[in-house]
Amino acid sequence: GESVGLHLPTLSVQEGDNSIINCAYSNSASDYFIWYKQESGKGPQFIIDIRSNMDKRQGQRVTVLLNKTVKHLSLQIAATQPGDSAVYFCAETSTKGGYQKVTFGTGTKLQVIP
Amino acid sequence: NAGVTQTPKFRILKIGQSMTLQCTQDMNHNYMYWYRQDPGMGLKLIYYSVGAGITDKGEVPNGYNVSRSTTEDFPLRLELAAPSQTSVYFCASTFTVTGANVLTFGAGSRLTVL
Repeated sequence: GESVGLHLPTLSVQEGDNSIINCAYSNSASDYFIWYKQESGKGPQFIIDIRSNMDKRQGQRVTVLLNKTVKHLSLQIAATQPGDSAVYFCAETSTKGGYQKVTFGTGTKLQVIP
Repeated sequence: NAGVTQTPKFRILKIGQSMTLQCTQDMNHNYMYWYRQDPGMGLKLIYYSVGAGITDKGEVPNGYNVSRSTTEDFPLRLELAAPSQTSVYFCASTFTVTGANVLTFGAGSRLTVL
């Protein structure tokens, strides 16, 4: 079946340190993987995506790594700031019957310690 | 642009009551989605629509109905509210039918059924 899951439900990081949020997936046919950030009381917001034929993609202070061999995805946040405190979701997209299906993981809560 | 607008933000229902969660987007997106998010959990797809007049079930459609008479609006109907439907509901939309299919989310509607 298809599933997207996360290893750590809660991650506490000291301000200024780097954060690594992990995600496992099972659908090898996924086209894209996307990270969303959900702040308290808000809807999820897009952070960064990576196509399935890539291993790494960098954005501003964020890097996503994709290891297709072990079906693992990670989001690295450099120099974590208090504003990074949120729940982070990974999601995978795949095309099924002409429709692009989006499957979300459980989420990891990132707590930044000042 | 307002993006994706959901109303109401909060609602308390009694068991057996009915209500409609409204969702409208002004981005001319063809794809629209309804998700529910239970405490400490990820997002579960209830229904989705690939365009006006076309809707289909997601993972957890039981107890809900939708319609898509216009590109902009995608209301979610609860006919006989049950405590199991206590959740936060998110509407989302996207235009991309290829590529990463990044979703734009509304702020959410928190529903409590007592």
